[in-house]
Amino acid sequence: RKEVEQDPGPFNVPEGATVAFNCTYSNSASQSFFWYRQDCRKEPKLLMSVYSSGNEDGRFTAQLNRASQYISLLIRDSKLSDSATYLCVVIYTGGFKTIFGAGTRLFVKA
Amino acid sequence: EPEVTQTPSHQVTQMGQEVILRCVPISNHLYFYWYRQILGQKVEFLVSFYNNEISEKSEIFDDQFSVERPDGSNFTLKIRSTKLEDSAMYFCASRGGDNEQFFGPGTRLTVL
Repeated sequence: RKEVEQDPGPFNVPEGATVAFNCTYSNSASQSFFWYRQDCRKEPKLLMSVYSSGNEDGRFTAQLNRASQYISLLIRDSKLSDSATYLCVVIYTGGFKTIFGAGTRLFVKA
Repeated sequence: EPEVTQTPSHQVTQMGQEVILRCVPISNHLYFYWYRQILGQKVEFLVSFYNNEISEKSEIFDDQFSVERPDGSNFTLKIRSTKLEDSAMYFCASRGGDNEQFFGPGTRLTVL
């Protein structure tokens, strides 16, 4: 089983749509969780941290369920500029080893 | 806004040659990382570095790889004898007291 698994994608949505990405992780020693976005041939950019209480940043909402070892990202009112690959990232206790999911590709169309 | 920088942006080398990839982390950060991403594949953790020593490394980070912080600003990744399969994008990242890592723009390594 992969350490971090994401929806395979790609997701093709119209502007204004709401889209949800899921991610599961296998190691219960995982401590910190993040969503990054990556544009083609660019570096990953931090989108948001993920907390058990859930957190929201504008159109983006992230949620963590430690019992189910599941992380989600919800994007509301999708924009063309949201088109990218979304990476689920898990950091093990100690803060050193970092595992990336394979990413989910999102295409937002006009 | 402070950022991580990397040089060179693109490095072409012959198989068997040594390469050094350079990174300047964000100035007040204390934790440093190297990752690689083979074209079309996921980002893979190579190594983390804290307090002038390696804190964690992956199976990929074998004896051909080494890291160093030669002065107060640079953080380098050395590959001693490059192989064709080392061709990839190499990202450096740094973080402060929380776990939020910030990535540099990457160095594209091409081994011929």
